[in-house]
Amino acid sequence: AQKVTQAQTEISVVEKEDVTLDCVYETRDTTYYLFWYKQPPSGELVFLIRRNSFDEQNEISGRYSWNFQKSTSSFNFTITASQVVDSAVYFCALRNTGRRALTFGSGTRLQVQP
Amino acid sequence: EPEVTQTPSHQVTQMGQEVILRCVPISNHLYFYWYRQILGQKVEFLVSFYNNEISEKSEIFDDQFSVERPDGSNFTLKIRSTKLEDSAMYFCASSEALGGNQPQHFGDGTRLSIL
Repeated sequence: AQKVTQAQTEISVVEKEDVTLDCVYETRDTTYYLFWYKQPPSGELVFLIRRNSFDEQNEISGRYSWNFQKSTSSFNFTITASQVVDSAVYFCALRNTGRRALTFGSGTRLQVQP
Repeated sequence: EPEVTQTPSHQVTQMGQEVILRCVPISNHLYFYWYRQILGQKVEFLVSFYNNEISEKSEIFDDQFSVERPDGSNFTLKIRSTKLEDSAMYFCASSEALGGNQPQHFGDGTRLSIL
């Protein structure tokens, strides 16, 4: 069975602060895929980033960066210099190899105050 | 940028009635999905569809649910006899067939309200 835990229910920051969203996952598979999605107040789900289990290189893409640590089963997501438009619910998701279903965490609501 | 489109954006239906939710996946994608999100809760997988058949389904996807690709562009979710607990946001998604890390791209969702 697989499980995704996002322990932070809600985070509030002031604009321009950096913020890290935590994600811990459980899976028995050795090959799997991790994703972050954003759900703004309008309700749609927007794909942000992905990571394969066999690639632990951490990357930066603009204001987004992610820290994948297989040893601790964590896939944390950082927004640098947050903006009001970053206010949304952020979901971490896991997909095991051989399956199509995404398993989502419960989401973290990020509020960026001006 | 190509996107997944869903209609209607909001559907209100009486309990016990049948409802069909419609989706147009991204044109070169071959895998299609339905998920639901009950208000304030996590997104839950319902079903995946490939090559005109269901490839995977969850426990939620019982006999009252069905999916169909009636033509080359549409992908539908039918709920035969709706219940109050079917009220949720329903998301359609699609992905390319090749590559395990291909992301699923979601539509804007259909909010289903059962009265």
